[in-house]
Amino acid sequence: KNEVEQSPQNLTAQEGEFITINCSYSVGISALHWLQQHPGGGIVSLFMLSSGKKKHGRLIATINIQEKHSSLHITASHPRDSAVYICAVTSNTGNQFYFGTGTSLTVIP
Amino acid sequence: EAQVTQNPRYLITVTGKKLTVTCSQNMNHEYMSWYRQDPGLGLRQIYYSMNVEVTDKGDVPEGYKVSRKEKRNFPLILESPSPNQTSLYFCASSSGTGNTIYFGEGSWLTVV
Repeated sequence: KNEVEQSPQNLTAQEGEFITINCSYSVGISALHWLQQHPGGGIVSLFMLSSGKKKHGRLIATINIQEKHSSLHITASHPRDSAVYICAVTSNTGNQFYFGTGTSLTVIP
Repeated sequence: EAQVTQNPRYLITVTGKKLTVTCSQNMNHEYMSWYRQDPGLGLRQIYYSMNVEVTDKGDVPEGYKVSRKEKRNFPLILESPSPNQTSLYFCASSSGTGNTIYFGEGSWLTVV
């Protein structure tokens, strides 16, 4: 069972391109998280959403609760954005987290 | 500085030899949890704790134990490690499940 699905699994972009990563989930949630994992393993939280849209620098995250879908956008992509981006949800029926398998992004100069 | 600290970061051990991975946070968070990350499977929750003396199983608890005697600490115990527990382990904390998650740097564990 996959409570959280992400697409694409792998993405290669030229520097400066606009990037979109999608996340769909099948459970009721209290929150959705976008995480970034760089080579070497460390995981950083980028956004936590329960509705609407959030923006931080060149990153934008949106969520549509009715459609159970979220997107992460990166504007003017840069090689330092190369990382694995992970979507995670907090179930509203308990206290568990469910994770997508991640999108591996490579931005080429 | 807000931190989640895990130790050890790297460990090679033998089958059956008990080990403990420690996790400590300095943010006074109630919620703490352990995950393992495996290629193709992503992150999976092992155990979580809502507060001191309150722990519960995640998706993959078999072969693991936890305890939460103090708010800041949440150790992961492998009583009798097996090779299928070779993985990258993360500890995380937050002030609640609907709030920002803070992850430790990860612990690479190899069981031979």
